[in-house]
Amino acid sequence: NAGVMQNPRHLVRRRGQEARLRCSPMKGHSHVYWYRQLPEEGLKFMVYLQKENIIDESGMPKERFSAEFPKEGPSILRIQQVVRGDSAAYFCASSQAGEVTQYFGPGTRLTVL
Amino acid sequence: AQSVSQHNHHVILSEAASLELGCNYSYGGTVNLFWYVQYPGQHLQLLLKYFSGDPLVKGIKGFEAEFIKSKFSFNLRKPSVQWSDTAEYFCAVNAGGGSQGNLIFGKGTKLSVKP
Repeated sequence: NAGVMQNPRHLVRRRGQEARLRCSPMKGHSHVYWYRQLPEEGLKFMVYLQKENIIDESGMPKERFSAEFPKEGPSILRIQQVVRGDSAAYFCASSQAGEVTQYFGPGTRLTVL
Repeated sequence: AQSVSQHNHHVILSEAASLELGCNYSYGGTVNLFWYVQYPGQHLQLLLKYFSGDPLVKGIKGFEAEFIKSKFSFNLRKPSVQWSDTAEYFCAVNAGGGSQGNLIFGKGTKLSVKP
């Protein structure tokens, strides 16, 4: 029973480039959540999606960040024109419809040079 | 706004010592409460959760937590820690009543267990 998958595990980008982070939820899970963890901080909620719908994006920065969860394929967190402050660990979690408990992936560590 | 406070940033214990990690939250309504653990280099794993019912919750690996509503607390305990418990522990909360939505996390407590 595969857990939540994220790739890549490590991503290095130069300032101004784009970063694409992918998340495949657990089998049978239709809800995906993205969180960001800055050094010495807890996880901060970014966005909550269901298939083809953004349910809550209250934690997303207003510019440069976007997320999608298409009908087919993984959820994508996209960061355009990355800056050094975007360096962080990005975690994806998934849950079943109607379930509160979220299960986390291994994270993608983004480093912006 | 909801918030979660974990009082200890770093706890150092010897093996067989007892553990208690504090967690307080601020939210006036019904809550769902969670403890997650992150072992070095690994992803967050669910230790235990509380939705309703018995306020003393037992989780995996001998951990337990007690929900005290009057104190807005959900402290994590283990009677006797092992070296393998070295990890970072996160308390999290979301609005209860079956609603799905984002988790609010504390900043985490790093536990180092000396062999």
